[in-house]
Amino acid sequence: ELKVEQNPLFLSMQEGKNYTIYCNYSTTSDRLYWYRQDPGKSLESLFVLLSNGAVKQEGRLMASLDTKARLSTLHITAAVHDLSATYFCAVDRGSTLGRLYFGRGTQLTVWP
Amino acid sequence: DTEVTQTPKHLVMGMTNKKSLKCEQHMGHRAMYWYKQKAKKPPELMFVYSYEKLSINESVPSRFSPECPNSSLLNLHLHALQPEDSALYLCASSQVNLIVTDTQYFGPGTRLTVL
Repeated sequence: ELKVEQNPLFLSMQEGKNYTIYCNYSTTSDRLYWYRQDPGKSLESLFVLLSNGAVKQEGRLMASLDTKARLSTLHITAAVHDLSATYFCAVDRGSTLGRLYFGRGTQLTVWP
Repeated sequence: DTEVTQTPKHLVMGMTNKKSLKCEQHMGHRAMYWYKQKAKKPPELMFVYSYEKLSINESVPSRFSPECPNSSLLNLHLHALQPEDSALYLCASSQVNLIVTDTQYFGPGTRLTVL
């Protein structure tokens, strides 16, 4: 079974700082997704990464994918309080319809 | 419009009740999903419908019964639930190209409490 590991699981950072969340997966994957979840809310799609070397940016968040290393990163630049949330990476193998394998999530808290 | 709607937002039910959760999307997506999420855990896949046919059932107990009446609607019928079934139930939908699915868009969820 495909395993997805995220780290760190908890991240507390000061506003204005930079940090990176890591997502490793165990076998070949077709697509990698990053989702954000606010407490008690649903999952919001942030990025989908399709190919090796893919990089996508939205505001202070940048996601990248290295399929050879089976690694994706979510980089946070100059964090602000509004980024406080739980971030999940998820992987699908394409060949198994609709099945997403989620990491455990990174709970991010940004403080002043 | 990338909206998936779910009703009700909150549901409290006893162990002998029968209730249903509803999910709707009008994005033309042909794959729809039910997930269960416990606090501080990732979502767990329960069921997948593709072109209105059940394609994945993750060994979910029979007290959960999914139904896909048409391509826009997905129901989850609940009967004789246990307190440990209390969770956030999320519906999602996605495009399908042959057997490859695209980004899943999630609804706001139904917070279920079983007494």
